[in-house]
This record gives sequence, structure tokens and C-alpha cells, in this order.
Amino acid sequence: DGGITQSPKYLFRKEGQNVTLSCEQNLNHDAMYWYRQDPGQGLRLIYYSQIVNDFQKGDIAEGYSVSREKKESFPLTVTSAQKNPTAFYLCASSILADTTDTQYFGPGTRLTVL
Amino acid sequence: GNSVTQMEGPVTLSEEAFLTINCTYTATGYPSLFWYVQYPGEGLQLLLKATKADDKGSNKGFEATYRKETTSFHLEKGSVQVSDSAVYFCALRTGGKFYFGSGTKLNVKP
Repeated sequence: DGGITQSPKYLFRKEGQNVTLSCEQNLNHDAMYWYRQDPGQGLRLIYYSQIVNDFQKGDIAEGYSVSREKKESFPLTVTSAQKNPTAFYLCASSILADTTDTQYFGPGTRLTVL
Repeated sequence: GNSVTQMEGPVTLSEEAFLTINCTYTATGYPSLFWYVQYPGEGLQLLLKATKADDKGSNKGFEATYRKETTSFHLEKGSVQVSDSAVYFCALRTGGKFYFGSGTKLNVKP
């Protein structure tokens, strides 16, 4: 089955530690995205990538970093510089060529800083 | 710029009631419009979409019509069920970027 996988589903981190969230897709999509969602809030874009080895900052990139070494993978690192990292993180992907197509979402990773 | 505004929730309805969730947008060019649904602890799922003016998207009894003259894409359902309880997001796509509303939580009581 095609889709997007995120792991782990729940992640706990101590203050001052970096942590990497995994996102993999087998849909052959060009574009991949990371969003942050806080309780009762909408989605805020952290980073997005439209092609391998290239990515752009979204609205709240500070304290986060990404890489896009392979088309199917777009890991997100939450660094110790992120002041309030506890949130629900969603990865998504889309086809670039078809601007009428939807964005496909993974199941999310809930990060809690202890 | 591009943005989406949707009505604040929560919206609480009794089963079989009529649902409307308002969504308006601002966009450059000709965006595609989407409604997504999110159940607790899960990612977003596409509910329906419309890609040009006057298109009607529909799925599972939900409908929304792309109104260019009023820049709106309101979500409607004639008779809601308890299982429709979720958070609903309106979104637009222009080029490779998506813009989301803040979400509207729907609670349906038996």
C-alpha cells in the first residue's frame, strides 16, 4: 500500500536534547512538508522541500532542521534551540506537477519534552 | 497574500441536524480548495476538493461549492452522525504550497 509513515508515534525527550522525527513516503511525490500542531490549533508550516537536496523554511523554522537526501525521506530534527517543542508533528507530501491534487498526511508524531 | 479563514468552534449539534462550517479564502491566481478531517491523535484525511469555480466537491454526504464571487467554500451536510465528530480544516493550494484554516471542531451528540 502506498502512503506516508512517521515514526515513532510517541516520543519523549529531555530538555537540551536534539531529537529526529522520521518521515517516509512511497508515493513517489516530489514535495514533502513538516507541520506543527498545538492543542486546539491549526497547522503551522515548519519546512518544505520540492526536490531532493533542496528545502525552504516555512513560517516557524527556528529551532528545527531538515534534510532531503532521498526523494522518499524527509527527517525533521528538533534541536535544543526550539524553546517549546512539545507538540504534534505532521509530515505530508504532494505531487508538484498537478496543482489540483491533495496533500497526503502521515499519522503524526507526538513529541513531549520532559 | 494567501490565507484561509474558517468559523471558530466548537460546533455542537444533535444527531441528524444540518451542518454548515463557513470557510472563506484570499488567494492570488486560481487555487484549488480542500476540506480535510482530523480524528483525535491522527493525521489529516482529505474529505473533498474542488478545483475550479462552481465545482462542487462531495464525499460521505458532505458537500462544498467553490464560489469565486464570494471567495467561499462552505462545508455542508444534511444530517450529521455521532461518527462525524472531528476537527475539520479548510485549505487552499496554489502552486506547491498549501494554506490551512485554523480548524473547526464538531461535536455531534446522540
